Amino acid sequence: GAGVSQSPRYKVAKRGQDVALRCDPISGHVSLFWYQQALGQGPEFLTYFQNEAQLDKSGLPSDRFFAERPEGSVSTLKIQRTQQEDSAVYLCASSLAQRGPYEQYFGPGTRLTVT
Amino acid sequence: DAKTTQPPSMDCAEGRAANLPCNHSTISGNEYVYWYRQIHSQGPQYIIHGLKNNETNEMASLIITEDRKSSTLILPHATLRDTAVYYCIVRPLNYGGSQGNLIFGKGTKLSVKP
Repeated sequence: GAGVSQSPRYKVAKRGQDVALRCDPISGHVSLFWYQQALGQGPEFLTYFQNEAQLDKSGLPSDRFFAERPEGSVSTLKIQRTQQEDSAVYLCASSLAQRGPYEQYFGPGTRLTVT
Repeated sequence: DAKTTQPPSMDCAEGRAANLPCNHSTISGNEYVYWYRQIHSQGPQYIIHGLKNNETNEMASLIITEDRKSSTLILPHATLRDTAVYYCIVRPLNYGGSQGNLIFGKGTKLSVKP
């Protein structure tokens, strides 16, 4: 079946521009996670949704970062006034449920380059 | 911070078994050991997980020591396509909110050579 998809796969933004990154999770998956991966590092947690509720946004690096999942399926990560340090791969993952040892399925990521 | 320690890199000959170690000496009784891998330019891929018993699936085997302070991921017949960064992660079984997220370290870069 279809996996997690993300768009765009690559995004180049000038410093100060706003960007929006989209994630389409696996159908029926309750949990959705966003991660940020800097070059040469492991992914780092940004935020978590259970259906449409954003239950944890402790990993968002600044108030320029905003995520939503209004209907409990597709999610958008928005970055306002992008800075060079925002350059990274942004990964989305979904999981069948919140509780239990359910694995997370990752999308291919969006590589954001801020010039 | 990641609760696991892994060697930064390992080499393996094609067709041989790849044994990737992981130390998790502070693991709690309700925490599982998960393994993911990340092939270049792709998102992480789930491999296997276990609590205290050894586990095997079509991709790999997971051997967890009796005291649960370390584990080994075994790829029985490594191929060139297994070249990737392998992450060992501990994660509680019953979680809510942020405890559900994965905490990645730097992983082990496995290079399978012909």
